[in-house]
Formats: sequence, structure tokens, C-alpha cells
Amino acid sequence: DGGITQSPKYLFRKEGQNVTLSCEQNLNHDAMYWYRQDPGQGLRLIYYSQIVNDFQKGDIAEGYSVSREKKESFPLTVTSAQKNPTAFYLCASSQQGINEKLFFGSGTQLSVL
Amino acid sequence: EDKVVQSPLSLVVHEGDTVTLNCSYEVTNFRSLLWYKQEKKAPTFLFMLTSSGIEKKSGRLSSILDKKELFSILNITATQTGDSAVYLCAVEVGTSYGKLTFGQGTILTVHP
Repeated sequence: DGGITQSPKYLFRKEGQNVTLSCEQNLNHDAMYWYRQDPGQGLRLIYYSQIVNDFQKGDIAEGYSVSREKKESFPLTVTSAQKNPTAFYLCASSQQGINEKLFFGSGTQLSVL
Repeated sequence: EDKVVQSPLSLVVHEGDTVTLNCSYEVTNFRSLLWYKQEKKAPTFLFMLTSSGIEKKSGRLSSILDKKELFSILNITATQTGDSAVYLCAVEVGTSYGKLTFGQGTILTVHP
């Protein structure tokens, strides 16, 4: 089955620790995205990548880093510089083109210990 | 700054009721407006709207866009408990396909 797989489903971070959230897709999509969702708020874009080896900052990139070494994979690292990392993180992908919708993974809930 | 605002933020109804969810936007270089349903984790796609006045329909759900007044509505008729979810409105802007600005979401609760 084609889809987007995020892991882990739940993640706990200690103070000062970097953690990495995994996102893998087998839809052969060119573009991938990371969104953050806080309670009572909509999704906010962290980073996006439209092609392998290239990515751009979204609206709230500070304290996060990404890489796009393979088309299928777009991991997100939450660094110690992100002071409020507790949130629900959603990865998405889309095929580049007009009117192509996003497909979402099932998300990772990150909490701070 | 691009802005998408949804209303109401939450809504409680009984099965069989009809609901209307609103989404207004102020963005530069509008490309399309999308509605998603988020039940537990992954948002699932409902509609994409690009042209004014053309209603999109899927079963009991329908949606329409007004590009002059900069808003969209999502209608759900004969609601069922399975319609309980967060409904997200998002606007695609500029030349970066798939780069979406989301509203806060509307939490819909349907009681039996």
C-alpha cells in the first residue's frame, strides 16, 4: 500500500537533547513537508522540500533542521534550540504540479520530560 | 502576512442536523483552497476549490468558494456521529505548489 509512514508515534525529549522524527513515503512524490500542530491551532509549516537535496524554511523553522538525501525520506530534527517542542508533528507529501493535494502521515506526538 | 480564519472554532450538534463551517482568508497570490478532515491523527483530503461559485459535492458534504469575498463554506447535511472531527481549511499560495497556510480548525462534535 502506498502511503506516508511517520515514526515513532510518541517521542519524549529530555532538556538539551536533539531528537529526530522519521518520515518515509512510497508514493514517489517529489515534495515533502513538515507541519507542527498545537492544541487549538492550525498546522504551521516548519520546512518543505520540493526536490532531493534541496529544502526551504517554512514559517517556524527556528530550532529545527531537516535533510533530503533521498526522495522517499525527509527526517526532521528538533534541536535543543527549540524551547517549546511539545506538539504534534505531521509530515506530508505531494506530487509537484497544479492542483496536487497533500497526503499526510499519522503524526508524531513529541513531549518534553 | 497570509491569514486563514475559520469559524466557529467548535460546534456541537445532534445527529441529523445540518452544519455550515466557514473559512475566510487574506493571502497574496491565491492558488487554491482545500478542506481536510482530521479525525484522530492524519488529516484526510475532502475538497480542493479553485474557481468561484462552483460547488463541489461528495455525499452529504459540499463546499463552495467565493473569491470576491474571500471565503469558503463547508456544508454537512444529515450529520452522523462519524462526522465528529476537526475540519481544517487551508489556502495554497504563490508559486510553491503544496505550501499551505492553515486555519485554526473547527472542532465538530455530533451527538447521537
